[in-house]
Amino acid sequence: GAVVSQHPSRVICKSGTSVKIECRSLDFQATTMFWYRQFPKKSLMLMATSNEGSKATYEQGVEKDKFLINHASLTLSTLTVTSAHPEDSSFYICSANGLAGRNEQFFGPGTRLTVL
Amino acid sequence: AQSVAQPEDQVNVAEGNPLTVKCTYSVSGNPYLFWYVQYPNRGLQFLLKYITGDNLVKGSYGFEAEFNKSQTSFHLKKPSALVSDSALYFCAVRDYYGGATNKLIFGTGTLLAVQP
Repeated sequence: GAVVSQHPSRVICKSGTSVKIECRSLDFQATTMFWYRQFPKKSLMLMATSNEGSKATYEQGVEKDKFLINHASLTLSTLTVTSAHPEDSSFYICSANGLAGRNEQFFGPGTRLTVL
Repeated sequence: AQSVAQPEDQVNVAEGNPLTVKCTYSVSGNPYLFWYVQYPNRGLQFLLKYITGDNLVKGSYGFEAEFNKSQTSFHLKKPSALVSDSALYFCAVRDYYGGATNKLIFGTGTLLAVQP
């Protein structure tokens, strides 16, 4: 149990285009989902916290209009990187929380974004 | 301010030897502590957690961690390292001010390298 998937696992796009990344909790309802960004050999940087049906809460310094987060259902959250630039290239990881009796986060496998 | 520190960027150990990955914390209130492991180009996998109860916590893959309140530490240990244990290890603490979201504060990560 507690499986989180991400799609796509890897994406390459041109500068100026938008990219959508999906995060799904496959066998539980995720009341909260988190989006992280990870640079090479670095720790995770929390970008935002999203709750189903409400607006995401962004961390300081994260551009809301740049990184659009939608938590449309209890099993799906999406991150859209708008007008992507090479500096947006990174490893994006989502996690989900909400499994009854468990307060740890369950992580997706990550999405490698490369912007040319 | 709440924080988690992993003082070692890298730990090297020979296969079969015991390993320790260090973590210290600074939080308000009682800490909820977690260890996660990340293999290359993958998301994080949950290893173990301390919420309350016994100070020695046993987790996945033979790992354990000891909660030490007086030293504010939560070191990860394994009696006999395997080459397959080589990965990036993250210590995390629940954000006391994160409300019901179970938001986590991560350490900077420690790369464990087990030599055959």
